[in-house]
Amino acid sequence: QSVLTQPPSASGTPGQRVTISCSGSSSNIGSNTVNWYQQLPGTAPKLLIYSNNQRPSGVPDRFSGSKSGTSASLAISGLQSEDEADYYCAAWDDSLNGSVVFGGGTKLTVL
Amino acid sequence: QITLKESGPTLVKPTQTLTLTCTFSGFSLSTSGVGVGWIRQPPGKALEWLALIYWDDDKRYSPSLKSRLTITKDTSKNQVVLTMTNMDPVDTATYYCAHDLSIAGGDYFDYWGQGTLVTVSS
Repeated sequence: QSVLTQPPSASGTPGQRVTISCSGSSSNIGSNTVNWYQQLPGTAPKLLIYSNNQRPSGVPDRFSGSKSGTSASLAISGLQSEDEADYYCAAWDDSLNGSVVFGGGTKLTVL
Repeated sequence: QITLKESGPTLVKPTQTLTLTCTFSGFSLSTSGVGVGWIRQPPGKALEWLALIYWDDDKRYSPSLKSRLTITKDTSKNQVVLTMTNMDPVDTATYYCAHDLSIAGGDYFDYWGQGTLVTVSS
């Protein structure tokens, strides 16, 4: 049972816009920034979004993040076949001396 | 260019202690704001954060695994070592180490190693 809650799956057709939600609590998302990781099949996770809405160099601007209260969202516009991957949200949690918490992951399928 | 690589046994027996080493390059673990974390992923399952060590030797552990984990660093060798005691088959997973940046409002892992699969079986 992950501390952050994500839908297990999402899907869209090429060119569509999809969003993935991430729900937490006041001790994590409510008081800290949210990061998103993309994991392509058989590879290590890759940082996609940090500090709620910042893209590392090299990440296309089709990917965007937002946060409101104790929830966050990842949006992917102009969906492409290579976006098919698992997506994880993560945040710092202030409880129990501080820790990193991940969501359970969302498998994105491009139809 | 920042790179990290995990090394250690691929197979451990139940009750044994696992020792994993993360060898990195391209950054110094004595730089303010920098850390190295360990994250694992059981086959077909989600990511799970395990531990973090910072430039100032501050250490943080997953609350659920804290009693079994120890993280240390050797700045001169550019290595971070994670030990996990009393291994069980449920600990079978790919173990990743990652470069961490600590900023106001939280941390994030911007570079990851390739991961190493550890199987726990007798």
